[in-house]
Amino acid sequence: QVQLVQSGAEVKKPGASVKVSCKASGYTFTSYYMHWVRQAPGQGLEWMGIINPSGGSTSYAQKFQGRVTMTRDTSTSTVYMELSSLRSEDTAVYYCARMGGAADYWGQGTLVTVSS
Amino acid sequence: DIQMTQSPSAMSASVGDRVTITCRASQGISNYLAWFQQKPGKVPKRLIYASSSLQSGVPSRFSGSGSGTEFTLTISSLQPEDFATYYCLQHNSYPWTFGQGTKVEIK
Repeated sequence: QVQLVQSGAEVKKPGASVKVSCKASGYTFTSYYMHWVRQAPGQGLEWMGIINPSGGSTSYAQKFQGRVTMTRDTSTSTVYMELSSLRSEDTAVYYCARMGGAADYWGQGTLVTVSS
Repeated sequence: DIQMTQSPSAMSASVGDRVTITCRASQGISNYLAWFQQKPGKVPKRLIYASSSLQSGVPSRFSGSGSGTEFTLTISSLQPEDFATYYCLQHNSYPWTFGQGTKVEIK
């Protein structure tokens, strides 16, 4: 069965970077694009960007341009999302999600807390 | 970027009520619109794709319609398990964008 397993919660100081991983299993990793979506406490869903695991191409929301980097490792079927220059407003649950195909699959979410 | 405006942002309804949620796109997106349900502490779940196609396993009381810039999600007879927040998502062009959400609460 398809599974997306994300790395654990992180606490970071303002100005630092965080790198969240998402390990995929149960399907051909390179066949489906992977999205990153975040949700601040009590707020709505925010689409951050997408990566093509096959070639590594990416597209990011303008809001995160210059601060976000999405990468993949095909040898371990893992995608990564790194967000730099963290500020308190980046405190959120970060999800990876596979939304192509007949069904959608989401990771369990990774809480990133930015606090001094 | 395409802006997605959902209405209402919140609503109270009773079990058995017919519920309609609207999503408007700032420019035409054909039928590249999906609807998601999210319950507290849970990951989102896609209900509808391509504006009107029901995801496998989703109850038939959920339906979607619309094309271009106006879309609706309808729950024909609200059930206790349907109290949740609903989001639309346009995937016509990057960046994909979510609506701000509609919280459906118990009256």
